[in-house]
Amino acid sequence: EAGVAQSPRYKIIEKRQSVAFWCNPISGHATLYWYQQILGQGPKLLIQFQNNGVVDDSQLPKDRFSAERLKGVDSTLKIQPAKLEDSAVYLCASSLSTPGTSGGESYNEQFFGPGTRLTVL
Amino acid sequence: AQSVSQHNHHVILSEAASLELGCNYSYGGTVNLFWYVQYPGQHLQLLLKYFSGDPLVKGIKGFEAEFIKSKFSFNLRKPSVQWSDTAEYFCAVNARGRRALTFGSGTRLQVQP
Repeated sequence: EAGVAQSPRYKIIEKRQSVAFWCNPISGHATLYWYQQILGQGPKLLIQFQNNGVVDDSQLPKDRFSAERLKGVDSTLKIQPAKLEDSAVYLCASSLSTPGTSGGESYNEQFFGPGTRLTVL
Repeated sequence: AQSVSQHNHHVILSEAASLELGCNYSYGGTVNLFWYVQYPGQHLQLLLKYFSGDPLVKGIKGFEAEFIKSKFSFNLRKPSVQWSDTAEYFCAVNARGRRALTFGSGTRLQVQP
């Protein structure tokens, strides 16, 4: 089974430039997440999609970050303009469904991609 | 809002030593608990999880974790570590009904041969 794909793997930009990251989840996974992992910290959720709809974007800095999943499959995360503090690894994860649709205590494992390491100079 | 604390940032052990990594969470409701592992150069992957029932859960590669509700803790243990256990370990929680995870800051484990 193919895993979660992300590109590019590394990106170096100067502050105030824009950048975009791409994620292709595991086939059939309805839920897609973008996490930001700053060096020395754990991943922090930026946005969660269920198919092509946003479930949670409460921690997304909407003045500079945007994300879309137009056809409910691939997703892109954009930063415009980038700041020095945006230097981090951006992780994409996917899972089969959300608990609201399956009910009970079942959990569908989140599978993570390799991440994109962004350096803002 | 929920939060997760991992007290050990960097742990160095010799092979065959026992391991215990601490994890405490803060949340007023019912949570699911997880340990993820990231081996050097690899993706984050699930090590073990707890939803309900027996508070002692077993995961892959001989790892286990114990949920102590009164202490809001979910410590990871392994009786005898191997060099191949060198990795970063993340504790995570999600509130029932939510899918997104809240992670701790991670513990880097270095096992010396």
